[in-house]
Amino acid sequence: NAGVTQTPKFQVLKTGQSMTLQCAQDMNHEYMSWYRQDPGMGLRLIHYSVGAGITDQGEVPNGYNVSRSTTEDFPLRLLSAAPSQTSVYFCASTDSSTDTQYFGPGTRLTVL
Amino acid sequence: KQEVTQIPAALSVPEGENLVLNCSFTDSAIYNLQWFRQDPGKGLTSLLLIQSSQREQTSGRLNASLDKSSGRSTLYIAASQPGDSATYLCAVRGSQGNLIFGKGTKLSVKP
Repeated sequence: NAGVTQTPKFQVLKTGQSMTLQCAQDMNHEYMSWYRQDPGMGLRLIHYSVGAGITDQGEVPNGYNVSRSTTEDFPLRLLSAAPSQTSVYFCASTDSSTDTQYFGPGTRLTVL
Repeated sequence: KQEVTQIPAALSVPEGENLVLNCSFTDSAIYNLQWFRQDPGKGLTSLLLIQSSQREQTSGRLNASLDKSSGRSTLYIAASQPGDSATYLCAVRGSQGNLIFGKGTKLSVKP
């Protein structure tokens, strides 16, 4: 199993640009989520999904969109990037039988 | 609103010492509590998960305890090694299935 994979690892955007952060898992987990990690703030939940076709907002959803067309994939879209979105983004999936969360390696995003 | 606090923010110990990392949470109505390890520039790795009905979990040199009534958890690391150097994060599971994280304790184990 590859676990949770994220692409790209690094990305630099200009203010106003849009992009999609990719996340995929091969463990057949229904629950997936996106977090951002900022110095001094810890990890904060952006969006989550309890299964294909179902998504909901977390603590800091503004400026981000998600969709879940398949169990495996959970992309995060930045609609119009802002410097405040400079952060490290982590995707995670949850094994519902044990409640253990598995994290991807992260995407480091810089918005200029 | 659930808040998770980890003390200390940073800790430096000599190799071989036993140490305790602390985590506290404000709302005792949790489903479970999980301890993670994060190495610089890497993702999070789950170390131990304690269900709300459990008091402790052990894995190798790691032991995590949970006291729901007082809103506290501790991670005990026995015979610390330089390879244990990392940031340790505590997280509680909320009602929506999401995790609420503390800001972490950065551990440095000196040879």
